[in-house]
Amino acid sequence: QQQVKQSPQSLIVQKGGISIINCAYENTAFDYFPWYQQFPGKGPALLIAIRPDVSEKKEGRFTISFNKSAKQFSLHIMDSQPGDSATYFCAASTGNTGKLIFGQGTTLQVKP
Amino acid sequence: DVKVTQSSRYLVKRTGEKVFLECVQDMDHENMFWYRQDPGLGLRLIYFSYDVKMKEKGDIPEGYSVSREKKERFSLILESASTNQTSMYLCASRTGAADTQYFGPGTRLTVL
Repeated sequence: QQQVKQSPQSLIVQKGGISIINCAYENTAFDYFPWYQQFPGKGPALLIAIRPDVSEKKEGRFTISFNKSAKQFSLHIMDSQPGDSATYFCAASTGNTGKLIFGQGTTLQVKP
Repeated sequence: DVKVTQSSRYLVKRTGEKVFLECVQDMDHENMFWYRQDPGLGLRLIYFSYDVKMKEKGDIPEGYSVSREKKERFSLILESASTNQTSMYLCASRTGAADTQYFGPGTRLTVL
């Protein structure tokens, strides 16, 4: 049973375009929603995170949009660059347990 | 900079062998985690530890055990390796007061 569902599985975007990755969750007790970025041969690294008390968080070209009623959140990458080509994982957790439930991952390719 | 290191990048073992995967972090973090990463399934939590000599089962603990005798070191043990344990294994750590998990580079284990 996948508590966090991520789509699409893969994404190809032209340089300068907008990349959008979506996640949906089931457990309404989740209160922390991070996105991790993973380059080939490396471990995942935190990219950006949000808590459900806000609907949007922006850090540079990366934005999380959060819809609590729909139990969905998404990552938007503006002005996508070839260096953004990586695998992206959404995740969710409850309280301060640190127990992250990850989505299935999205492989993003940004074409020059 | 937080550094999480894993003892091997690549490991090949035979079915039935006992396998040890080691993880060391240098930031005095209380919490440590072991995940496995499989295509299309994302990262799944095997075991985690809130502090020395403490351990809790994650979502897929079957076939695995862990050991945490020192704060900086968290070991994952496959008592009798099976082919369905062929996977990428990722270790992570975090301080108990913050959300961010810091990942090691991973160990790609192949069980023949």
